[in-house]
Amino acid sequence: DVKVTQSSRYLVKRTGEKVFLECVQDMDHENMFWYRQDPGLGLRLIYFSYDVKMKEKGDIPEGYSVSREKKERFSLILESASTNQTSMYLCASSLWRDSGNQPQHFGDGTRLSIL
Amino acid sequence: GQSLEQPSEVTAVEGAIVQINCTYQTSGFYGLSWYQQHDGGAPTFLSYNALDGLEETGRFSSFLSRSDSYGYLLLQELQMKDSASYLCAVLDSNYQLIWGAGTKLIIKP
Repeated sequence: DVKVTQSSRYLVKRTGEKVFLECVQDMDHENMFWYRQDPGLGLRLIYFSYDVKMKEKGDIPEGYSVSREKKERFSLILESASTNQTSMYLCASSLWRDSGNQPQHFGDGTRLSIL
Repeated sequence: GQSLEQPSEVTAVEGAIVQINCTYQTSGFYGLSWYQQHDGGAPTFLSYNALDGLEETGRFSSFLSRSDSYGYLLLQELQMKDSASYLCAVLDSNYQLIWGAGTKLIIKP
C-alpha cells in the first residue's frame, strides 16, 4: 500500500512565522501535490512537482513556496504566515502525470492554525 | 472559469440506494474521478470514468455522460460506514485535477 506521511496532524503558529510542512511518500511516485481544503470549497492546488527539483505553481501559490530535493519528499513553506492561511493542508502523490486512472494518494492532512 | 457542481449534502437511509451528482465546466476533459473522505481523514480514490457509461465496483457505481458534462456516483445497500464526504474531480487538459466542494452523505438508521 502507498503511504503518504505528513509530519504533523495539528500545528499552531503565529503570524509572521516561517512554517514548514513536510510530506514523504514511500512508493517512488513521480508526482507530488500540495492542496489546501477549506469548508465549502474544493481542494485547491497550491503547488505540484513532477520530478526532483521541479515545481509548478497551482491555482493559489501566493504566500507559499515548495522544495523537492529528493523524490520521496515534498515540503511546503509558508514564508510569512498569515491568518488567512489557517486551513487543512493535504499532500498527495501519484505515479504518472496523467493521474486519472493513476489515482492520487493522500496523507492524513495537517490542520494549521495561524494566530 | 472552471467549476464543478455537486450538492452540499445528501441524506439517505441505511440499506437504501443514493445517487450523488456532479456537473462540470472545465477547459478540456480527460475523465471524472470520485474520492471518499471521512471526517478528519484523507481522501481515498473510488473510481475513474474516461468513457461514457456505467462502471461498477461492488456496491459503488459511477456514471459519466460527456455530452451532458455530467456524472454521478451510485451507492447501493448503504451502510453506516458509508457516511462521509464524496468528492468529484475532473482531469483537465493540463492533466490537473479540478475538484468539487464535496457532498456530505448522512445515513440514518
